[in-house]
Formats: sequence, C-alpha cells, structure tokens
Amino acid sequence: GAVVSQHPSWVICKSGTSVKIECRSLDFQATTMFWYRQFPKQSLMLMATSNEGSKATYEQGVEKDKFLINHASLTLSTLTVTSAHPEDSSFYICSASLVAVEETQYFGPGTRLLVL
Amino acid sequence: GIQVEQSPPDLILQEGANSTLRCNFSDSVNNLQWFHQNPWGQLINLFYIPSGTKQNGRLSATTVATERYSLLYISSSQTTDSGVYFCAVDSGGYQKVTFGTGTKLQVIP
Repeated sequence: GAVVSQHPSWVICKSGTSVKIECRSLDFQATTMFWYRQFPKQSLMLMATSNEGSKATYEQGVEKDKFLINHASLTLSTLTVTSAHPEDSSFYICSASLVAVEETQYFGPGTRLLVL
Repeated sequence: GIQVEQSPPDLILQEGANSTLRCNFSDSVNNLQWFHQNPWGQLINLFYIPSGTKQNGRLSATTVATERYSLLYISSSQTTDSGVYFCAVDSGGYQKVTFGTGTKLQVIP
C-alpha cells in the first residue's frame, strides 16, 4: 500500500515551453501533497505544499507564477513549469501524506526535467 | 529555520561491514524519518522514528530527541544498500519536512 506515482518519469523540452508533471496517490487519499526539487548531488528542497481544493503554499524563493500547482482531487496534484528555461532542469519529486499512519510521507519516483 | 546535518557525507564500505550514520538537528522536532534514495532517485521509507529505537532486518534506528540526534545502523551491508541516505524532520507541524544533507553510501563487493 501507500504507492505514489509520477508521470512522466523523463521529459526533455525546448526553452520557453511549459511542462506538466502529474503526481497520483494510487491506493489512498491524500489531502496534502508536497513538491520537492533536487539538484545533482544535493538534498531535496521543498517547493510547495499542495492541499486539495485550495491554493498551494509556496516556500520562500519559489516563484508561484513559474511553478503552477493544482490539487484538483484527493489523489492527483499537478506541477506545471511554465516557460521553462535551462536553469529549471532538475529532478522533481512529489510526496503524499498518509496522516493515518504516523504522518508518514510517501514519495513518487520523481521526474527528470531537461530544458534545452 | 531548522538545520539538519548528516555525517559522514560519504562512506565506502566493504560488503559485510557495519556502519552508523548520524543526523543532527538544531531544534526540537515533531517527527523524524529516514529514507534511502536508490541510484534511480526513488526515495524509500526506512523508519518513522521521532523517538526511541526501531529495527527492521539489518537496519535499525535510534532517535534521542532531547539531544537532537538520530542514528541509523546498517549491519552486514550489501551492495544493494548503496545510495544516499537522508533523514528528514518536521519541526513546524503541517507535515512540512526539512531534509538533511545526506550520506552517500557505496558498498563494494
């Protein structure tokens, strides 16, 4: 149980295009999902907290107009990188919280974004 | 915000050896988790351990919340244990976690 999926796993796009990444909790409902970013050989940095039916809460320094987050249902959150640039290239990981089980977060497999 | 430091940053082990990874945090926490990130990037939950000791097979973890540290023990290491180990803490509630700096482990045959 407690499986989180992400799609796509890999994406390569041209500079200036927008990219949407989906995060789904497959076998549980998640009222809260989180989006992280990880640069090579670095730790994970929280970008935003996504709550179903409400606006996302962004961490300091994260541009909300650049990284659009939508949490339309209890099993799906999406991250859209708008007008992507090479510096947006990174590994994006989502997680979903299963509060009933010790407030544990379960992580998706991640999406590698390369902007050319 | 809270600072989470892990040591050592890099570790190379011979297969079969034991190791201890440390996580220090600068403030009191509501919970603490240990994760293993495999070479493909997938984060795997190892322990949810805000305090006390837990064991799962060859792995065990201990958190001493009053002294603000946690330890992850790996016994009889295997090559499949290679990867990066992160601790992550929630200090402010709302399940918002801060990840540690990570320990990169390489187990060689």
